[in-house]
Amino acid sequence: DAGVIQSPRHEVTEMGQEVTLRCKPISGHDYLFWYRQTMMRGLELLIYFNNNVPIDDSGMPEDRFSAKMPNASFSTLKIQPSEPRDSAVYFCASSLTDLGGYTFGSGTRLTVV
Amino acid sequence: QQQVKQSPQSLIVQKGGISIINCAYENTAFDYFPWYQQFPGKGPALLIAIRPDVSEKKEGRFTISFNKSAKQFSLHIMDSQPGDSATYFCAASSGAGSYQLTFGKGTKLSVIP
Repeated sequence: DAGVIQSPRHEVTEMGQEVTLRCKPISGHDYLFWYRQTMMRGLELLIYFNNNVPIDDSGMPEDRFSAKMPNASFSTLKIQPSEPRDSAVYFCASSLTDLGGYTFGSGTRLTVV
Repeated sequence: QQQVKQSPQSLIVQKGGISIINCAYENTAFDYFPWYQQFPGKGPALLIAIRPDVSEKKEGRFTISFNKSAKQFSLHIMDSQPGDSATYFCAASSGAGSYQLTFGKGTKLSVIP
């Protein structure tokens, strides 16, 4: 299995632009999580899905952030418009019910200038 | 309380020594306690995990000690090696249909020759 695949690995964009981060979870996993990592705040859960349905989006910082999971093999996290304080590493992770633990992707390093 | 408190923030250990990282939690509903290891530029990777029905779990040089009454758990790395230099995160979650992990802030371990 190729693991959790995220794209792009790096994204540099100008303030005000739309940014879309992509994730392909491990096949068969029924949970998908989006985390943001910064030095100041550590790993923060933004949103998670179970069987493609959003379960808890209370961690999404603002309405500028949105996430979708149109099918079991693909999810997106969109920021529109982006701001410099959104600069962070964004991780996608997937998990299988009762398995415990997540498998993380390699992350997308987002820089908003 | 969903918080997981991790200490120390950073740790320097000599090669061959024992590295000890501690975590404490408040939520008594937590029933799954994993540790993750993260190398620079990579996503966190599951290292070892424990459930509260045991007080200790060992996998190779890595041991989790769990104290349910004190609501504390710790990671011990025996015979620490330079290749163990990474950031370590403790985490916790509860069952009942939610697999949302709450992470500690991380410990940066440096093992010096």
